[in-house]
Amino acid sequence: QKEVEQDPGPLSVPEGAIVSLNCTYSNSAFQYFMWYRQYSRKGPELLMYTYSSGNKEDGRFTAQVDKSSKYISLFIRDSQPSDSATYLCAMSAAYGGSQGNLIFGKGTKLSVKP
Amino acid sequence: DAGVIQSPRHEVTEMGQEVTLRCKPISGHNSLFWYRQTMMRGLELLIYFNNNVPIDDSGMPEDRFSAKMPNASFSTLKIQPSEPRDSAVYFCASTLPATEAFFGQGTRLTVV
Repeated sequence: QKEVEQDPGPLSVPEGAIVSLNCTYSNSAFQYFMWYRQYSRKGPELLMYTYSSGNKEDGRFTAQVDKSSKYISLFIRDSQPSDSATYLCAMSAAYGGSQGNLIFGKGTKLSVKP
Repeated sequence: DAGVIQSPRHEVTEMGQEVTLRCKPISGHNSLFWYRQTMMRGLELLIYFNNNVPIDDSGMPEDRFSAKMPNASFSTLKIQPSEPRDSAVYFCASTLPATEAFFGQGTRLTVV
């Protein structure tokens, strides 16, 4: 079993839909959970991060972590065509990686159709 | 700050040739990471440095790969000899303790 599993998609939704992206993981040492967004031919950019379990909201984006189930989610409300990108989950035992490293999921390619 | 700068953006080389990828981290960042991204395997960590010292190179696929960080503002990833299966996008990222990792734009390597 890989440390981090993520459905690669692709996922296609109409504009305005609610999008749910998910990852599962196996390493219980992970404490920092991040979502990166990667546009075509660009480097990943941090979208959101959470520490331990719980929810975090930022505008149209909500990140959830359930450590008991080793399951994390990213919800996008009122999705826009500009949200079309690949979304990668990432996890680490230490934030920023200076005491460890980020383990990434393979990414889910999202397309939001106008 | 201009962010993490990688060069070249694209590299096409013949099998057996030496390839050198370059990275300039964000000024003041003390950790640097080299990742490789492919469709099949996603984003994989190759090596990371902390304060210019290699901390974990367990992701380096084989002895053909080597990485150096001679100072805080420069790092290289070298592949010698290159093979077609090395074709991928190579990313460099840098960070401060307890902050997010910032990625460069990547180098798209094609080995023919």
